[in-house]
Amino acid sequence: GAVVSQHPSWVICKSGTSVKIECRSLDFQATTMFWYRQFPKQSLMLMATSNEGSKATYEQGVEKDKFLINHASLTLSTLTVTSAHPEDSSFYICSAMGLAGVSYEQYFGPGTRLTVT
Amino acid sequence: GENVEQHPSTLSVQEGDSAVIKCTYSDSASNYFPWYKQELGKGPQLIIDIRSNVGEKKDQRIAVTLNKTAKHFSLHITETQPEDSAVYFCAASLTQYIFGTGTRLKVLA
Repeated sequence: GAVVSQHPSWVICKSGTSVKIECRSLDFQATTMFWYRQFPKQSLMLMATSNEGSKATYEQGVEKDKFLINHASLTLSTLTVTSAHPEDSSFYICSAMGLAGVSYEQYFGPGTRLTVT
Repeated sequence: GENVEQHPSTLSVQEGDSAVIKCTYSDSASNYFPWYKQELGKGPQLIIDIRSNVGEKKDQRIAVTLNKTAKHFSLHITETQPEDSAVYFCAASLTQYIFGTGTRLKVLA
């Protein structure tokens, strides 16, 4: 089946620094990738939708200058958390839209746990 | 926009018993309904899905039913095992996925 990887799987950074998270579709091309944020014991909250070669579409309430998304190729999207603060600590999950038979389905990455100290 | 409600939020069953998780959605145009299993510290994994032109789908111990008229769909797990313990999310989709709030399933050995 389709595989989506994320790197790193966990990261600890100091307040004020920036952190980049990579999301790769390993065996398929993904024209659309999604970034989610998940707080403990809560559901997935969509942050933004990124299409290859164009600017990401951010959900209401998500600061685009703080969460920079780049979708430079059909297999790679990156999320950069700029000037991170402790409240940015969360589990970040990406997903990639891939063709499964005759329809498109989302495949999720394993997630990245960010802790800002 | 679409709104998805999921019940129950927690569910404990004895090993070997069945578990049922229910979701309702608001947008009758939604046409794809996947179910995901998420283990602690991991990303969601698709376990089964159903499209709006189908009423029921089964894969070994897992089945999903869809009632388009009532706008609800359910996940059924039979002969539960301890390894089924996880958080389960439903989703409804037309152009993007809208997730339910999750059900924490605990299978007691």
